Amino acid sequence: SQKIEQNSEALNIQEGKTATLTCNYTNYSPAYLQWYRQDPGRGPVFLLLIRENEKEKRKERLKVTFDTTLKQSLFHITASQPADSATYLCALGESFQKLVFGTGTRLLVSP
Amino acid sequence: SAVISQKPSRDICQRGTSLTIQCQVDSQVTMMFWYRQQPGQSLTLIATANQGSEATYESGFVIDKFPISRPNLTFSTLTVSNMSPEDSSIYLCSVAGDRETQYFGPGTRLLVL
Repeated sequence: SQKIEQNSEALNIQEGKTATLTCNYTNYSPAYLQWYRQDPGRGPVFLLLIRENEKEKRKERLKVTFDTTLKQSLFHITASQPADSATYLCALGESFQKLVFGTGTRLLVSP
Repeated sequence: SAVISQKPSRDICQRGTSLTIQCQVDSQVTMMFWYRQQPGQSLTLIATANQGSEATYESGFVIDKFPISRPNLTFSTLTVSNMSPEDSSIYLCSVAGDRETQYFGPGTRLLVL
């Protein structure tokens, strides 16, 4: 069966450290993968997109990797801040504008 | 980017009734989407709504239960019909952005008693 797995347990880290979130998938062949941030009571906000032929993408303190052999994406936030505390969702894109979301991982950054 | 608003932001409804959720965008967009996010679950696509054509529903969702209107390029509605407690969820609309990105509204929190 098709599955997208993100760590359901909250990730607790200290301010200044690097947060690494994982997205694993089974029985999908995504052409691209996206990461979104969702705060309580709000809709998801797009952060980064990476395509199947790209290994790594960066945007400011954010970095995402995409390994189609391992069927895994890693999302890194460097020099994390309490304001980075939120739920982070990965979304697989198998075709144009057709997204399948993971359940998200909650990140808590302590001062 | 696009700014999206939804009405109502939340509601409590009785079973057997229907609720219509509105989604307004500040610019003209071709593709709009309706998602459901149940507690502890991922976002699940209900349907894609393009202006001038019938909505395309995903597996497990039917038009009789979730009728959608798309009268113009800035507006859409989703109706949750004949509600039951299992319909309690957050309902989100989104629009297609540049490339494959999507911009989401704030969501409508629905509780069915």
